[in-house]
Amino acid sequence: AQKVTQAQTEISVVEKEDVTLDCVYETRDTTYYLFWYKQPPSGELVFLIRRNSFDEQNEISGRYSWNFQKSTSSFNFTITASQVVDSAVYFCALSEAREGAQKLVFGQGTRLTINP
Amino acid sequence: NAGVTQTPKFQVLKTGQSMTLQCAQDMNHEYMSWYRQDPGMGLRLIHYSVGAGITDQGEVPNGYNVSRSTTEDFPLRLLSAAPSQTSVYFCASSYSRAPQGEQYFGPGTRLTVT
Repeated sequence: AQKVTQAQTEISVVEKEDVTLDCVYETRDTTYYLFWYKQPPSGELVFLIRRNSFDEQNEISGRYSWNFQKSTSSFNFTITASQVVDSAVYFCALSEAREGAQKLVFGQGTRLTINP
Repeated sequence: NAGVTQTPKFQVLKTGQSMTLQCAQDMNHEYMSWYRQDPGMGLRLIHYSVGAGITDQGEVPNGYNVSRSTTEDFPLRLLSAAPSQTSVYFCASSYSRAPQGEQYFGPGTRLTVT
């Protein structure tokens, strides 16, 4: 069965610190997709990134970077030089190709607080 | 584009009452879905639809009904509300049903069942 685990329930750092959010997944499918979504205090989930199981290249977008390692079934998210606006709940999610439709399985979420 | 809209934003029900949570999207998206968010459990899929007239169950469908008569609308019905259905409900849509699709989420409906 598919499963996503975000072991860090809450993280609190001071502004400008770097912070890494961990995500570990389980799946039996060979083709799958991993996502990160951000949920700011307003409540609406916002898509950040998608990765497919055949692409292990790390990705960088501004202060955000993602490290995908199939060997450890992990898809970690790093924010460099964090800012107060990064405060949110972040969700990692998994979708399996064999499902034939996008049926996301979410992790429990990590609440990130950036203190000024 | 308004994106994905949900009404109401807040609702309080008594046990046994029924109600419909509304969801609409104006992006002509094929795929729509409903999730519930509970503390410490992330979001869980309730029902989804890959097109008008086609719906299917997700991980936690019991106690909920859906229908998709138009591309734009995907209402979620609570048949007989129970305190266990106290949650935040999110509707989402995607251009494609494909597993890699990016989903657009609505603002959510916070439901309390007493």
